[in-house]
Amino acid sequence: EIVMTQSPATLSVSPGERVTLSCRASQSIDSNLAWYQQRPGQAPRLLIHGASTRATGIPARFSGSGSGTEFTLTISSLQSEDFAVYYCQQYINWYTFGQGTKLEIK
Amino acid sequence: EVQLVESGGGLVQPGGSLRLSCEVSGFSFINYWMSWVRQAPDKGLEWVANIKDDGSEKNYVDSVKGRFTISRDNAKNSLYLEMNSLRTEDTAIYYCARRGALADYWGQGTLVTVSS
Repeated sequence: EIVMTQSPATLSVSPGERVTLSCRASQSIDSNLAWYQQRPGQAPRLLIHGASTRATGIPARFSGSGSGTEFTLTISSLQSEDFAVYYCQQYINWYTFGQGTKLEIK
Repeated sequence: EVQLVESGGGLVQPGGSLRLSCEVSGFSFINYWMSWVRQAPDKGLEWVANIKDDGSEKNYVDSVKGRFTISRDNAKNSLYLEMNSLRTEDTAIYYCARRGALADYWGQGTLVTVSS
């Protein structure tokens, strides 16, 4: 099983700041990586697929990068609605998620 | 508008069974793989199963193989998850999701609680 590890577990940031979340795969997954956002009480929402392609309707402040085993999700200027939990997911060998990074208001 | 609406969750004893349903609208169901993804209380996400657009291929996470069965009825735009021999560790919100590897649309989920 491919294990996905996200860091940090929690990040305290202020609105307007730029933030970078990390995701590491236990083996190479090429660019078969997605990012999801989950707000409290809601279902997850697909943000990024193919490591760097924004899903339909996702604002340009969200960007993804990386390949192989190291990936990042960057939010260029945090809005109030961005405080949520973010999960990465690999889809090269079955489908496994990281444990999530929670963005909280500083 | 794409919509996925799950139903069928509830409280069940260990060893019991439950059947979840997901009714979809707003897209051509017959053209998409579909999936079930679950989330234990205050935990992360786990892909449970997926099924090909015509139902000819089904895949499961190891922990549910032999106990859960995914199926679909393309005439009714509906996805199902038959769950047998339920365990306490199956307690979770079960989400229906469009596509087989990338979940681009999700339902709001249905809660399954396995407890005596």
